[in-house]
Amino acid sequence: LAKTTQPISMDSYEGQEVNITCSHNNIATNDYITWYQQFPSQGPRFIIQGYKTKVTNEVASLFIPADRKSSTLSLPRVSLSDTAVYYCLGGMDSSYKLIFGSGTRLLVRP
Amino acid sequence: DTEVTQTPKHLVMGMTNKKSLKCEQHMGHRAMYWYKQKAKKPPELMFVYSYEKLSINESVPSRFSPECPNSSLLNLHLHALQPEDSALYLCASSQDNVAVNTEAFFGQGTRLTVV
Repeated sequence: LAKTTQPISMDSYEGQEVNITCSHNNIATNDYITWYQQFPSQGPRFIIQGYKTKVTNEVASLFIPADRKSSTLSLPRVSLSDTAVYYCLGGMDSSYKLIFGSGTRLLVRP
Repeated sequence: DTEVTQTPKHLVMGMTNKKSLKCEQHMGHRAMYWYKQKAKKPPELMFVYSYEKLSINESVPSRFSPECPNSSLLNLHLHALQPEDSALYLCASSQDNVAVNTEAFFGQGTRLTVV
């Protein structure tokens, strides 16, 4: 099972760009990288998913280098409401489990 | 409708009680999941149902009993719980059981307190 490693926490200020990097050294060839966001006392919410290079949607961008051993979630111009825990998921085992790593706790300050 | 609905939102139960958590989705998803989440920890997988059959049990104690009556409903029956079982219980669904390569939708959770 591909283990993911993320920073435990990050601080930022409103209006800044935030980049959260995740390492997934043993990701399998056909696995995607997926990021979820979770607010306190709510269920996680899908943000973005990618396989390689760059993916962008209305919320975020995801950068994945050619070796796919890491990925970076980029949140442009964060606001206070982006304060949340961000989880990177990469890979699965033969049972297709959706397993969450430790996550990154992002605090956006005024 | 892209919602996963969980009821109740809050539940307080005694250690001798029997209660059930309910989860419902109408997205046609064939994989459904139960997670347990303690404060400041990531969600921890408990059970996975695929096409209404239990496919994964993450060595969960028997005081937690899942049930999938049909493709839209998932229950978690609780009996003789311990105070340490107090947590946020999350239900999720996805289009199939290739969970990592598709989007999973989560409910808002049931906040369970065992007294």
